[in-house]
Amino acid sequence: GQSLEQPSEVTAVEGAIVQINCTYQTSGFYGLSWYQQHDGGAPTFLSYNALDGLEETGRFSSFLSRSDSYGYLLLQELQMKDSASYFCAVRDKGTYKYIFGTGTRLKVLA
Amino acid sequence: EPEVTQTPSHQVTQMGQEVILRCVPISNHLYFYWYRQILGQKVEFLVSFYNNEISEKSEIFDDQFSVERPDGSNFTLKIRSTKLEDSAMYFCASTGTSGSPYEQYFGPGTRLTVT
Repeated sequence: GQSLEQPSEVTAVEGAIVQINCTYQTSGFYGLSWYQQHDGGAPTFLSYNALDGLEETGRFSSFLSRSDSYGYLLLQELQMKDSASYFCAVRDKGTYKYIFGTGTRLKVLA
Repeated sequence: EPEVTQTPSHQVTQMGQEVILRCVPISNHLYFYWYRQILGQKVEFLVSFYNNEISEKSEIFDDQFSVERPDGSNFTLKIRSTKLEDSAMYFCASTGTSGSPYEQYFGPGTRLTVT
C-alpha cells in the first residue's frame, strides 16, 4: 500500500527558513501535493509537483524527486501565522484515491 | 470566491443511530470526496464520487457508509449505525476541471461525536 511519512513536529523562529520532508512508498502516483491545516480548520491547498524539481509560490516552495521517493515543502521568511499542520498527499495512479501523509506540526516562535 | 459548505458543523449522536452529513460542493466541480480526520491524526480518504457513482473507496468505507448526490447541489455521507470509533471530523472536498486537477477544495468539516 501507499504510505507517506513526515516528521511529527518542527519548530522554528519568525523570519527563519524551514523544510518539511515527505518520504513515500508508493507503486505509482500522479504527483505530490501539499496542504496546510490550522487547528480546527480545513486543509487548504498550497502546491503541487507533477514533475521532479522545484515549484515556487511566493514564500513557499515545493520539491519532488521521484528517483529518491522524496519531496519537501520549504517555507521562507516564517511568520507566526504559518504555525499549522502541513500534509503531503498523492493521488494513486489510475484512481481517484488520495493518500495523505502523517502530517507535520510547525510551531513558529517569536 | 466559491467555497465548499458543510452542515451541520457539529453533530452529536448516540451509538447505533444513523447520521447524514451534508455538503454542497463548488457548483461547477465534478469530482467529490469525503475524508475523515480523527483528532490529532492524519486526513484519511473515505470515498471519491464522479458522474453519480463511486469512483474509489477505502477500506474504512464499509457497508455502514453510503454516499449520495440527491440533487444537483448536495452531496451526502450517511453512516447507518454509528460506532464510538466513528467520532471524527468529516471533510467534504471537490475538484474542478480548470486549474490544477489535484487542487482539492475542502469544506469546513463536520465534527461527529458518537456517545
